[in-house]
Amino acid sequence: DIVMTQSPDSLAVSLGERATITCKSSQSVLSSSNNKNYLAWYQQKPGQPPKLLIYWASTRGSGVPDRFSGSGSGTDFTLTISSLQAEDVAVYYCQQYYSTPPDTFGQGTKLEIK
Amino acid sequence: QVQLVQSGAEVKKPGASVKVSCRASGYTFSDYYMEWVRQAPGQGLEWMGRINAKSGGTQYAQKFQGRVTMTRDTYINTAYMEVNSLTSDDTAVYYCASGGDSRSPVGGSWYAPWGQGTPVTVSS
Repeated sequence: DIVMTQSPDSLAVSLGERATITCKSSQSVLSSSNNKNYLAWYQQKPGQPPKLLIYWASTRGSGVPDRFSGSGSGTDFTLTISSLQAEDVAVYYCQQYYSTPPDTFGQGTKLEIK
Repeated sequence: QVQLVQSGAEVKKPGASVKVSCRASGYTFSDYYMEWVRQAPGQGLEWMGRINAKSGGTQYAQKFQGRVTMTRDTYINTAYMEVNSLTSDDTAVYYCASGGDSRSPVGGSWYAPWGQGTPVTVSS
């Protein structure tokens, strides 16, 4: 199984500042057949289900604000929030869907306001 | 709009079974896999398995093989997940989520949308 490791486990960022979360996979999730990274990011607010933010490592989901961006390839990925808003307080998860079953998730990163 | 609506909270005793339903609307149910993910209190997301809504074929996480059964009813656009031999470690919120194209033999994909979650508490 591919192990997904996020860092940090938690971080506090001031409103309007940049927030960066990283995700590392134990094996590459880049497909040589289509040159796509099988990596998604989700946001989960307290008491709510996760919400898709990013798929194919860098494609924003429907209705996701453009302050959210994803980057990276192979085994190393980053979720960036360019200007933190109060409503971005949440736990963020990465997920690989390259080597499945099983799909695997990172342990989550808790984002708070400083 | 595309929506998944799950059945309500459950309280079960150890050794019992629970069956959670997930009704889809706003899209063609049989065009996609349905994924099942659980989240124990204060913990992260754990993939349990998926069902191909067109063929009924299933893939389960090894941890749940033999104890979890996923089914679907295409006439009422509803997927089900049943967990047997419950223990306190199964106390969690169980989510369904729409996954990949059912024409794919593998099914790996991002998940959207997600159901609202079904809390299951296992306690004597």
